[in-house]
Amino acid sequence: GESVGLHLPTLSVQEGDNSIINCAYSNSASDYFIWYKQESGKGPQFIIDIRSNMDKRQGQRVTVLLNKTVKHLSLQIAATQPGDSAVYFCAENMGGGNKLTFGTGTQLKVEL
Amino acid sequence: GAGVSQSPSNKVTEKGKDVELRCDPISGHTALYWYRQSLGQGLEFLIYFQGNSAPDKSGLPSDRFSAERTGGSVSTLTIQRTQQEDSAVYLCASSLALTVEGNEKLFFGSGTQLSVL
Repeated sequence: GESVGLHLPTLSVQEGDNSIINCAYSNSASDYFIWYKQESGKGPQFIIDIRSNMDKRQGQRVTVLLNKTVKHLSLQIAATQPGDSAVYFCAENMGGGNKLTFGTGTQLKVEL
Repeated sequence: GAGVSQSPSNKVTEKGKDVELRCDPISGHTALYWYRQSLGQGLEFLIYFQGNSAPDKSGLPSDRFSAERTGGSVSTLTIQRTQQEDSAVYLCASSLALTVEGNEKLFFGSGTQLSVL
């Protein structure tokens, strides 16, 4: 029969609105978290990171929130613009030279 | 170069042929990763090199896949007897030594789009 591939979760927002992208991470020992943005045809690009001794970190128009109790990470984008349309990935690192492990990604679509 | 460079950017091959994908990391970066990304999906970890340590090959999907890193710099990912399900974008990334806090940020190349006919 026909095989169906997995589809990324999609978040659609109006231009100018705030976006919130969520990520559940897997390992309670992870001490470093990072968000990447991937535009079509390009490799992922760094957006913002946070260590486990923090619960919030702000960048330019972006904020990352970390809730270690429920192992949840979120990326907030203020005043979303068309150029923000991309796939967003969270990643975690357990420290001590371990590799980054990526989440499945969320497709953000900005509607004009 | 200033960033991670991958070649070729596109590769079309016939089922059963071998392919080699190349990655030039950022100079001075001791950690190098290979990831695979199928259409509309996330990043699937393949293999990770960290300095002179034995590589972490835990993500390689079969023994048809192998990678090496010569002189701690350039890496080659080899896929033998390619199958149609190997079609994907193969991404390479590098970082500074992961054993030092603050170096975990990965810098990605643009990837190699592999199409197996």
